[in-house]
Amino acid sequence: NAGVTQTPKFQVLKTGQSMTLQCAQDMNHEYMSWYRQDPGMGLRLIHYSVGAGITDQGEVPNGYNVSRSTTEDFPLRLLSAAPSQTSVYFCASSYSRRVESYEQYFGPGTRLTVT
Amino acid sequence: QQQVKQSPQSLIVQKGGISIINCAYENTAFDYFPWYQQFPGKGPALLIAIRPDVSEKKEGRFTISFNKSAKQFSLHIMDSQPGDSATYFCAASMSEETSGSRLTFGEGTQLTVNP
Repeated sequence: NAGVTQTPKFQVLKTGQSMTLQCAQDMNHEYMSWYRQDPGMGLRLIHYSVGAGITDQGEVPNGYNVSRSTTEDFPLRLLSAAPSQTSVYFCASSYSRRVESYEQYFGPGTRLTVT
Repeated sequence: QQQVKQSPQSLIVQKGGISIINCAYENTAFDYFPWYQQFPGKGPALLIAIRPDVSEKKEGRFTISFNKSAKQFSLHIMDSQPGDSATYFCAASMSEETSGSRLTFGEGTQLTVNP
């Protein structure tokens, strides 16, 4: 299994540009999430999905869109990039409710710079 | 508002010493408390987790201590090794919500273990 994969690994955007960060998992996990990581702030939840066709907002959703058309894929779209969106983005996935394990599996991250 | 506060921000210990990282939370509905370990350039990975029905959980050199009344929990790394040098994040979630997929993270602690 490849686990959770993310592309691209690095990206530089100009203010106002749009782009999509790709995330895929091959573990048949129902739950997928997007986090951003900023120095001194830990990881903050952007959006999450509990299954195909179902998404919801996290702590910092403004400026981002998501969709979940398949179990495997959960892309994150930046509508109009701003310098404040410069960050490292992590996608994560996990099984549905299992008492013995709520482990989230994280991808390797996408480092985004907006100039 | 940071619902999970983590300290210290950075920690330097000698090889063989004990590393202690502390977290405090505000939301009494949290009932799942994982610790994640992150190496440079990688995504976080689950290290150990605890539920509030126990006061301590040990896995090898890693121990979580949990104080429900004080709303605090801590990670102890015994016999710290240079390979433990990484960033550690505490987190919390409500298991009734979505299998722990909505994690609230602390700010992170950068641990350096000197040889």
